[in-house]
Amino acid sequence: GNSVTQMEGPVTLSEEAFLTINCTYTATGYPSLFWYVQYPGEGLQLLLKATKADDKGSNKGFEATYRKETTSFHLEKGSVQVSDSAVYFCALLYNQGGKLIFGQGTELSVKP
Amino acid sequence: DTAVSQTPKYLVTQMGNDKSIKCEQNLGHDTMYWYKQDSKKFLKIMFSYNNKELIINETVPNRFSPKSPDKAHLNLHINSLELGDSAVYFCASSPPGGLNTEAFFGQGTRLTVV
Repeated sequence: GNSVTQMEGPVTLSEEAFLTINCTYTATGYPSLFWYVQYPGEGLQLLLKATKADDKGSNKGFEATYRKETTSFHLEKGSVQVSDSAVYFCALLYNQGGKLIFGQGTELSVKP
Repeated sequence: DTAVSQTPKYLVTQMGNDKSIKCEQNLGHDTMYWYKQDSKKFLKIMFSYNNKELIINETVPNRFSPKSPDKAHLNLHINSLELGDSAVYFCASSPPGGLNTEAFFGQGTRLTVV
């Protein structure tokens, strides 16, 4: 079936460190891929997305590239800030009228 | 203006009770969803409605019944609450382009069954 696997958290980094959160997926066909972010006490917000292979999504300094050959969509940021502390969810959508399938979430904590 | 709003934000209730969570979106979207987030932060879809019609119904106990009086509202009613129902419930909506554009989430309702 279709599924998303993320690296286990929590991830703790110092401010200005480089961030990678791994995400791999299993899907039939050609899904769209997303990263959502959940700040403490809030709902999820779309961070970035990619709808086809080799697309790169980017927003707020975060990037992720849709790699079909490795079925991955790893999230990266060159220099994290304390305000980036949140839970990050990788997700896939495998048909337009369908449903988002989320990974288990990765908690990021950035220390000053 | 809050785009997707849920009430209540917190709900503590005893086992066996019946409770409802309300959701409203002012974005003009046709499709709305309910997601459940468990204690390990894992999110899973429960229901999806498009223009008041049920289109996704995952394997959810019959005690959970969504109701959509109009396309701006999707309420979740839960009968005979059980301890295992304790979770955060998120309502969401998506525009006509579907989830390929963006899903907008409410702030969540933390349900605690004691």
